[in-house]
Amino acid sequence: NAGVMQNPRHLVRRRGQEARLRCSPMKGHSHVYWYRQLPEEGLKFMVYLQKENIIDESGMPKERFSAEFPKEGPSILRIQQVVRGDSAAYFCASSWGPGDIQYFGAGTRLSVL
Amino acid sequence: QKEVEQNSGPLSVPEGAIASLNCTYSDRVSQSFFWYRQYSGKSPELIMSIYSNGDKEDGRFTAQLNKASQYVSLLIRDSQPSDSATYLCAVTLTGANNLFFGTGTRLTVIP
Repeated sequence: NAGVMQNPRHLVRRRGQEARLRCSPMKGHSHVYWYRQLPEEGLKFMVYLQKENIIDESGMPKERFSAEFPKEGPSILRIQQVVRGDSAAYFCASSWGPGDIQYFGAGTRLSVL
Repeated sequence: QKEVEQNSGPLSVPEGAIASLNCTYSDRVSQSFFWYRQYSGKSPELIMSIYSNGDKEDGRFTAQLNKASQYVSLLIRDSQPSDSATYLCAVTLTGANNLFFGTGTRLTVIP
């Protein structure tokens, strides 16, 4: 499967724990985007990364959230000290170049108890 | 004003009819426009992309773009029950590579 791969598909955390979401872009793509979809809401941009660089993090909450895309391995979205309001579907998308069509992964559904 | 606005619906059409979905955007110099389909609990799936004024057809789908009116639409001909989903309009804004999404229009095709 050469599509965008996200794992885990479902993640349950208790308040105060850490959540790590992983995304491997489509083969040949080096641009990764993270979006969050709250229940009954549209997708909201969080962060845009290329290999080893954060290009645009204007949509990231100022605290507890971080993202990386190392030279080797998947992109990681990390949420520290999760709260119930972090419960959402987190989607990763990738593109071949900046501004190119973005293809989405299946998402990670985070539930915070 | 939101960057991208859509009627949330729900929009119901009978099977075989034409479904018309509309979207307006606020940034006059937006360059790229996309329609994604999202089934409940699933990820967005690209249906159409359009970059210049006019119509673009792909099978039963036609995207229409009018940059002067800041308006993009999606027509689905011969609607099928399998077209029942939420349709998301997305736009890239000036100086940004990320997508700005509308809240989506929920379409139901009635057999």
